[in-house]
Amino acid sequence: EPEVTQTPSHQVTQMGQEVILRCVPISNHLYFYWYRQILGQKVEFLVSFYNNEISEKSEIFDDQFSVERPDGSNFTLKIRSTKLEDSAMYFCASSEWGLAGGDEQFFGPGTRLTVL
Amino acid sequence: AQKITQTQPGMFVQEKEAVTLDCTYDTSDQSYGLFWYKQPSSGEMIFLIYQGSYDEQNATEGRYSLNFQKARKSANLVISASQLGDSAMYFCAMRADGGSQGNLIFGKGTKLSVKP
Repeated sequence: EPEVTQTPSHQVTQMGQEVILRCVPISNHLYFYWYRQILGQKVEFLVSFYNNEISEKSEIFDDQFSVERPDGSNFTLKIRSTKLEDSAMYFCASSEWGLAGGDEQFFGPGTRLTVL
Repeated sequence: AQKITQTQPGMFVQEKEAVTLDCTYDTSDQSYGLFWYKQPSSGEMIFLIYQGSYDEQNATEGRYSLNFQKARKSANLVISASQLGDSAMYFCAMRADGGSQGNLIFGKGTKLSVKP
């Protein structure tokens, strides 16, 4: 069964450093998403991406964040200068259509980012 | 603004018993989708069940059913015949289709513990 993959599973970085989180969505999916979950809290939407551009972003997704689809398979989230409060689990998700209907968003296993 | 409310931070259920996890939502959209995800201690997000706002029948997927009461804006998850492996966090989520590109809004979750 196809699945979303994410690397690394755990990333530890120093405050102020840049990190890139990588995701490989399911191959025939068209819509991609990043969510984050601070430990013990709910999952929060960051950004959605379609047709090589951002479709929607939340207020969390400020200028420190960027997304890119550098090739036909990878989807990356970059945090330019990490802050302590960026420590969270980051989930990538993809869906086939992204429109009204029952298409689920398939989530990857997550990358746990720890900023020291 | 769209919002998901899960009022039960934690629930206990005896193995083989049924359990209902509550979810209420708030939206002004006429078309929307409601989802339940399971998050085991390993951290991944596992899709369980979907209900569309125009679906007349309650959704069912194996031991999971969604008790959808549109007038009350509730979408409770019912798990029948609980198993030890059902112990996890459960998140209710909504996708508002009026203008969004499909991002999900999550509740704070309910931690279910199944007792042997």
